[in-house]
This record gives sequence, C-alpha cells and structure tokens, in this order.
Amino acid sequence: QQQVKQSPQSLIVQKGGISIINCAYENTAFDYFPWYQQFPGKGPALLIAIRPDVSEKKEGRFTISFNKSAKQFSLHIMDSQPGDSATYFCAASGRGKLIFGQGTELSVKP
Amino acid sequence: GAVVSQHPSRVICKSGTSVKIECRSLDFQATTMFWYRQFPKQSLMLMATSNEGSKATYEQGVEKDKFLINHASLTLSTLTVTSAHPEDSSFYICSAKGGAMGYSNQPQHFGDGTRLSIL
Repeated sequence: QQQVKQSPQSLIVQKGGISIINCAYENTAFDYFPWYQQFPGKGPALLIAIRPDVSEKKEGRFTISFNKSAKQFSLHIMDSQPGDSATYFCAASGRGKLIFGQGTELSVKP
Repeated sequence: GAVVSQHPSRVICKSGTSVKIECRSLDFQATTMFWYRQFPKQSLMLMATSNEGSKATYEQGVEKDKFLINHASLTLSTLTVTSAHPEDSSFYICSAKGGAMGYSNQPQHFGDGTRLSIL
C-alpha cells in the first residue's frame, strides 16, 4: 500500500516531442506528489509538485496531470530537449516521508 | 534558495574504516533531515529521518548501530557509517526540509550525494 509504481522504465523521445511518464499509488492518505529530476552523480532536484485538490499544474514545459479517483498522476514534458535527458522520479508523501517510484530514464535524441 | 550542501562528494576507504558524511542546509532551517541510499540504476531508499535535537527514526532493516545519525543543529546532520565494508558501498543522499517538525507541507531539498566506495 506504500508503493508508488512508475512507468516506463526508460523512454526515448525525439527533440521537440512530448515525454510522458506515469505513476500510480494505492495509499489514499498521500497528499503531496512531487516529481524529481536526477542527473548522473547528482542528487534529485525538485521539478514540480501537485496536491490532490488540483487536477493539473503547469510550470513552463512541465505539466503534472492528477487523477485522484484513479490514483494516478503523470508528468508531461513538452518540447523535450536533449538537456532534459535524465532520470525522473515521481514520489508521494504522507506525513512528511517521500515514497519514490522506480524511476524513468529519459533520453531525448537531437 | 533552498540549497543543501553535502560533503564529501566522494570517499574511497579501506574496509573497517568509519566514514562521516555531512549534510548542511545553507539558506534555511532544516527541522527535518532525511538520509537515503541509492544503488546504480535504482530508486532512492529512505534509511532514516531525523528531527533536530531528537534521535533519528530508522526504516525497517536499517541497522542503527551501523549508520549513526546526528542532527545537532537546524543546519547540520551527519551520517556515520561505522566499520564500513564493501557491501556498504553506495550513493548516499541527504535531504532537508523546513517547517514544523514531523509532518509539514514543505518540500524536501536534496544534496548532491556522496559516493562511498569501500575497498
């Protein structure tokens, strides 16, 4: 019940395309859903986050879509760029602790 | 804002050595700090949570005598891997957040990790 399932494990997108990463959770007590971006050898950096009272949040090229009834949320990266190539982690938080998804390795081809 | 500094970035040492890793919040007061472990191509696994001035809370399966955590101030937490062995080799990452101790709506901000290699 504490798991967060993330897919796909890896993703290859052409430059300018849309990257979509999906996550699903089971625990309805989760109340905060961030996405992190991690480059090799670095710590994760907070990208964008959403709370369950909102169905969508957009910041620049990054959009989170949230479906509370389905217990699913996704990250959309519009106009993907080679510099977006990194590993992306979704997470869910309840009472302060983050539960991470398995990660998605994104490669954006020029 | 919200910068977390972790030091050292890389440690290589012999088996049996104890290694201390520091995690500092540079521009905010970190009431809660977290320590994670990450193996190659894997996700982050929470090891322990520490609140300033309190004993750390360890996740199931994490040896508290092996991984000593101290959170003596609102800007500094340390993780000491005692008598390290090759199986302790990993990428250790800290995170910090402000706000009320325990549960708060503040996001976690991560350090850049420490690559620990035990020979």
